[in-house]
Amino acid sequence: EAAVTQSPRNKVTVTGGNVTLSCRQTNSHNYMYWYRQDTGHGLRLIHYSYGAGNLQIGDVPDGYKATRTTQEDFFLLLELASPSQTSLYFCASSGREDNQAPLFGEGTRLSVL
Amino acid sequence: QQQVRQSPQSLTVWEGETAILNCSYEDSTFDYFPWYWQFPRESPALLIAIRPVSNKKEDGRFTIFFNKREKKLSLHITDSQPGDSATYFCAAIQGGRALIFGTGTTVSVSP
Repeated sequence: EAAVTQSPRNKVTVTGGNVTLSCRQTNSHNYMYWYRQDTGHGLRLIHYSYGAGNLQIGDVPDGYKATRTTQEDFFLLLELASPSQTSLYFCASSGREDNQAPLFGEGTRLSVL
Repeated sequence: QQQVRQSPQSLTVWEGETAILNCSYEDSTFDYFPWYWQFPRESPALLIAIRPVSNKKEDGRFTIFFNKREKKLSLHITDSQPGDSATYFCAAIQGGRALIFGTGTTVSVSP
């Protein structure tokens, strides 16, 4: 069964803290995405990747780094977390075929105090 | 700049009525338009999708109408049920496979 697994599910950190959000997909998908969801803004694309070692910049990349270490694993890094990064983060993956809409993980709720 | 726009922001309909959700986009290179729905405390899930070669896509009570010339879509939910209460997102995929979302329409169906 297709799956996208995020960890942790919840995270609290302090301003200036270092946070890594993890995402693993077992779908043999090439594409992986990181989104943040905030009330009034919908889902906004942070970074995405076509495959291991590839990284593309999304619409709201400031303050975020990402790394795709393998086809399965995509990480989002916040090196100096700020309260404005308090949000619900979703990872998603999709295949190469044209008619594949991304499959989403369960989300990580991050609070930066 | 919002590339995918949705309206209204929220919508309340009575059970059995038709809900109409609107979506418009800027970029003519978008080539696939999925709609997602999201229930409280859950992740977005694919509901229905359309490609620009079609002007209509139907799946049960859910129908997408697509107007390529005007760069507009609409999602019609016929015979609305309380279980349809959710936030609906229109999305668009560019050639480079980056899924762009609208800000969503929250639908409430009253029994």
